[in-house]
Amino acid sequence: QQPVQSPQAVILREGEDAVINCSSSKALYSVHWYRQKHGEAPVFLMILLKGGEQKGHDKISASFNEKKQQSSLYLTASQLSYSGTYFCGTDNTGANSKLTFGKGITLSVRP
Amino acid sequence: NAGVTQTPKFQVLKTGQSMTLQCAQDMNHEYMSWYRQDPGMGLRLIHYSVGAGITDQGEVPNGYNVSRSTTEDFPLRLLSAAPSQTSVYFCASSYSGVAGSEQYFGPGTRLTVT
Repeated sequence: QQPVQSPQAVILREGEDAVINCSSSKALYSVHWYRQKHGEAPVFLMILLKGGEQKGHDKISASFNEKKQQSSLYLTASQLSYSGTYFCGTDNTGANSKLTFGKGITLSVRP
Repeated sequence: NAGVTQTPKFQVLKTGQSMTLQCAQDMNHEYMSWYRQDPGMGLRLIHYSVGAGITDQGEVPNGYNVSRSTTEDFPLRLLSAAPSQTSVYFCASSYSGVAGSEQYFGPGTRLTVT
């Protein structure tokens, strides 16, 4: 089942903060976050694992609430380079073999 | 390292034609996968492989075949192209399974079926 991402779109001015969310109807074993710029491939941002381990980007933080089956990505002091589409991918089986991606959130940072 | 490479970058097919999308990685990654991306749909998993000789289906496997004879290569075959297969196709690889490993994506193949 595809995770649900919210909000659908975000428009920011440089320097502002944003939070984007990812919710699953099933238990989460890990959540991945990727950013994709127009016409390019998705690029890895973060992995959050059940149990609290995180791997990823220094300037982007994220949370993982196992009980609520949700993850949030926090973008602080946004830069123009943060613009793009953000996807979360969830592992709902613990089998370590499949990610199911959400539809993505478009984030635009303006000067 | 070249990372993940895909060929061709663009392809136009007629309905009923077959073709193979190529994917190769030079990072000695065990896990490889194919996704398709359609507007507003996100990335949907077609097939994946956890190592040479082992493949399995994702969520949208119909109309596609894969094989993995080497660690480096993971080609995707379209058996009889249909307009519904018009999409952007991404190949990805990771060191091990998805849980704790970031996926590296190739640049994509834009396929149009007329």
